Amino acid sequence: TQLLEQSPQFLSIQEGENLTVYCNSSSVFSSLQWYRQEPGEGPVLLVTVVTGGEVKKLKRLTFQFGDARKDSSLHITAAQPGDTGLYLCAGAGNRDDKINFGKGTRLHILP
Amino acid sequence: GAVVSQHPSWVICKSGTSVKIECRSLDFQATTMFWYRQFPKQSLMLMATSNEGSKATYEQGVEKDKFLINHASLTLSTLTVTSAHPEDSSFYICSERAGVMAQETQYFGPGTRLLVL
Repeated sequence: TQLLEQSPQFLSIQEGENLTVYCNSSSVFSSLQWYRQEPGEGPVLLVTVVTGGEVKKLKRLTFQFGDARKDSSLHITAAQPGDTGLYLCAGAGNRDDKINFGKGTRLHILP
Repeated sequence: GAVVSQHPSWVICKSGTSVKIECRSLDFQATTMFWYRQFPKQSLMLMATSNEGSKATYEQGVEKDKFLINHASLTLSTLTVTSAHPEDSSFYICSERAGVMAQETQYFGPGTRLLVL
C-alpha cells in the first residue's frame, strides 16, 4: 500500500490569509488527485496532476506535483470562508492500481 | 467529469434490518465502481470494488456476507448492508473511474448517510 501523508491535519486561519497544505509519500505515483469534501457530501475532484513538476491553477488554488512524483502541494491565496472543507489527496502507483487516499487536511476559514 | 448519483441520501433503520444503497453512473458506462465508507472526521476507506457481471472484490477486513454488492448493469451498482447494527452507522460513498485518463481519476457520488438505531 502506498501511503500518503497529509499535513497539516487541521488548519484554521482568517479570511484573506494564504495557506499551503502538503501531500507526501515515499512512493512514486503515476498521477495524483486533490479533492474537496464538504460535510454530508461526497468528495469533489479539484485537479489531477500527472507530470513531475507540473503546476495547475484553479482560480485562487495552485497545485504542484513534485519533480519526483512523490509529493504534491495545494496553495490557496486569499482564503475565503467558502474554501472551508476537508481536502484529500489521492493517488495510484500505476494506472491499474487502486487509488489510495491521504487522511485529509481539515481547513476552516474564519470570516 | 463523470456524474454519479446515490439513493437514498440518508436512511435511518432499526438494528437487524437490511438496507440497500444504489449507485448510478448517469453519463458513463462503468464496468468498475468502488464503495467507500467514511466515519466522522476520518478519510475514505475502500470497502470493495464492484465489477459488472462478476463478483465484487472486497478489501481485507470487510465481510462480504454482510456487505452484499451487486453490479448487474453498466450503470448501477448496489450495496446492501445486511442485518445492520449501530456500528455500521457511517457515510457510504460510491465512485467510478472515468474521463480521458480513466484509470487515474475517480468521481464520487454524493454519499448515503446510514444511521442504525
